[in-house]
Amino acid sequence: EAQVTQNPRYLITVTGKKLTVTCSQNMNHEYMSWYRQDPGLGLRQIYYSMNVEVTDKGDVPEGYKVSRKEKRNFPLILESPSPNQTSLYFCASSLDYNEQFFGPGTRLTVL
Amino acid sequence: AQKITQTQPGMFVQEKEAVTLDCTYDTSDPSYGLFWYKQPSSGEMIFLIYQGSYDQQNATEGRYSLNFQKARKSANLVISASQLGDSAMYFCAMREGTYNTDKLIFGTGTRLQVFP
Repeated sequence: EAQVTQNPRYLITVTGKKLTVTCSQNMNHEYMSWYRQDPGLGLRQIYYSMNVEVTDKGDVPEGYKVSRKEKRNFPLILESPSPNQTSLYFCASSLDYNEQFFGPGTRLTVL
Repeated sequence: AQKITQTQPGMFVQEKEAVTLDCTYDTSDPSYGLFWYKQPSSGEMIFLIYQGSYDQQNATEGRYSLNFQKARKSANLVISASQLGDSAMYFCAMREGTYNTDKLIFGTGTRLQVFP
């Protein structure tokens, strides 16, 4: 089944404790992105990648890192999480410009 | 300045009626794409429809159609024959440029409630 998977789906952590949210797609898509969704703000793009080893900042990259060592994986790293990074996070992938496939989301709470 | 504007925080529609969700956008790039996504209460993001800036005809996908008015910079979503399962948040989004970027900008969404 074609899909984008994210792990974990739910995470509660404390300020400053490094964490990684994994994202994997099995559709051989070149483009992958991370978004955060906050009430009243819609989705905002954090980082995107147009190919292996090619990443670029979205609108809200501060406090996040990403890497794209393999085509299928695009992990999101929070080196020192803070409470303002509490949010719902989505990973997405696409083959071309017509559609992005979204993962199920990761709900992160930083205490 | 907001690049994607959805002015309707919430909309109500009766089952089987048609409903239009508004979206206006702002870009100076001649090449762009416009998207609509549905987010039900379960949280997943579901792609509905896409319109490219050079497409001559309005996009349609089943009961969904995109009313693309380029001069007015609007890309309204029309849902015909609403169903109870259409109750959800709806997001309009835009991608500027073509081959050198994958930046996608979302609006703040419209919550649609379909009642019997």
